Amino acid sequence: DTAVSQTPKYLVTQMGNDKSIKCEQNLGHDTMYWYKQDSKKFLKIMFSYNNKELIINETVPNRFSPKSPDKAHLNLHINSLELGDSAVYFCASSRGTMGYGYTFGSGTRLTVV
Amino acid sequence: GNSVTQMEGPVTLSEEAFLTINCTYTATGYPSLFWYVQYPGEGLQLLLKATKADDKGSNKGFEATYRKETTSFHLEKGSVQVSDSAVYFCALSPGERGSTLGRLYFGRGTQLTVWP
Repeated sequence: DTAVSQTPKYLVTQMGNDKSIKCEQNLGHDTMYWYKQDSKKFLKIMFSYNNKELIINETVPNRFSPKSPDKAHLNLHINSLELGDSAVYFCASSRGTMGYGYTFGSGTRLTVV
Repeated sequence: GNSVTQMEGPVTLSEEAFLTINCTYTATGYPSLFWYVQYPGEGLQLLLKATKADDKGSNKGFEATYRKETTSFHLEKGSVQVSDSAVYFCALSPGERGSTLGRLYFGRGTQLTVWP
């Protein structure tokens, strides 16, 4: 029974398309995150929601839009995909927001061609 | 501000060798510290953590001690195995609210390869 699940695991798409990545957690955590990992393994936070409220919104292009319909789900929608968007996107969740550490999903490898 | 610096890799060792991956941090407040491990093709998994100075986190033979005086949290293992080959990330969670709420600050990761 996967704790943080992301779909799809792989996504190959053409430039200019719009795509979504879904994330669900069954841990009862209050806070969910999106991270982007580049080809050099560097992790950069993109967004965070706490109880459906956006609390972290890093400087990312406004083509990226998160949506949290409830505290167990956090989706990422990307408009007008560009080559530079190719990366692995990780969803994570945590219990609270103070030093509890994260549980990560297994990632979505996005390739834009 | 908050940041984590860890030694650059890759680190290549023979099986049963001793491992140290250095990690130092800067933080406002009283952070919690973590080591995460990422196996090929997988997400990050929490390896160990320490929430206050002088705490030692340990798991699967790995250890790290939270040293406030040297702002360090070095990862060690006495005898590595081929199965330990992965990318290791040091991270901190700031012990304060405000703009850092909910944020984990990661180091850039250290690739470890262990040969039989």
